[in-house]
Amino acid sequence: GQLVQSGAEVKTPGSSVKVSCKASGGTFSSYAFNWVRQAPGQGLEWMGGIIPVSGTANYAQSFQGRVTITADESTTTAYMELSSLRSDDTAVYYCAREVVGGTPGAFAFWGQGTMVTVSS
Amino acid sequence: QTVVTQETSMTVSPGGTVTLTCASSTGAVTSLHYANWFQQKPGQAPRALISSTSHRQSWTPARFSGSLLGGKAALTLSGVQLEDEADYYCLLYYGGAQHYVFGSGTRVTVL
Repeated sequence: GQLVQSGAEVKTPGSSVKVSCKASGGTFSSYAFNWVRQAPGQGLEWMGGIIPVSGTANYAQSFQGRVTITADESTTTAYMELSSLRSDDTAVYYCAREVVGGTPGAFAFWGQGTMVTVSS
Repeated sequence: QTVVTQETSMTVSPGGTVTLTCASSTGAVTSLHYANWFQQKPGQAPRALISSTSHRQSWTPARFSGSLLGGKAALTLSGVQLEDEADYYCLLYYGGAQHYVFGSGTRVTVL
């Protein structure tokens, strides 16, 4: 399996960003897609995830109301949109795949990461 | 807000053994947290090592082992090699809220 993410973005404070994660290999409907971010020099932070076959999305409390995770089965692509961007949203954003009904948190495959820079 | 805590840094000699731990602010870590461990090297995406507390991924060397230890999840590196120098993160599952929380990460230095 392979996850290929969209390219780097530069955004201004208050705007939104939408990052894509194109999946290939395996059956798209068998997987859930999670989004994880990493600010420069900092640790990993789980943002939320989606099970495309059901459309069910869960979000970390710290991102509730600002993040929307969606998926398009026709293009086997997952998306993460973050709104009301602030400078501390500057980070590398990763998508990670897990098997639906499998071991929770077994993020066996990761995208290459997308750098989002928020600056005026 | 749930906090998952790991040691900030650990140093180990080549060939030595080191154990990293992962604690939850909500109480003891159990098998129901399905503890996962990831390795991350500079400039790279994280790589899964261990799932469900102790199950190695197919690509994970046998020198990496996971367990529960004193109410925490633990990752033990035995016969450490220079290439094991990296950041290590645990990930816990909170089933009630269907959420995940990453640990704060441990930097392992081999020298």
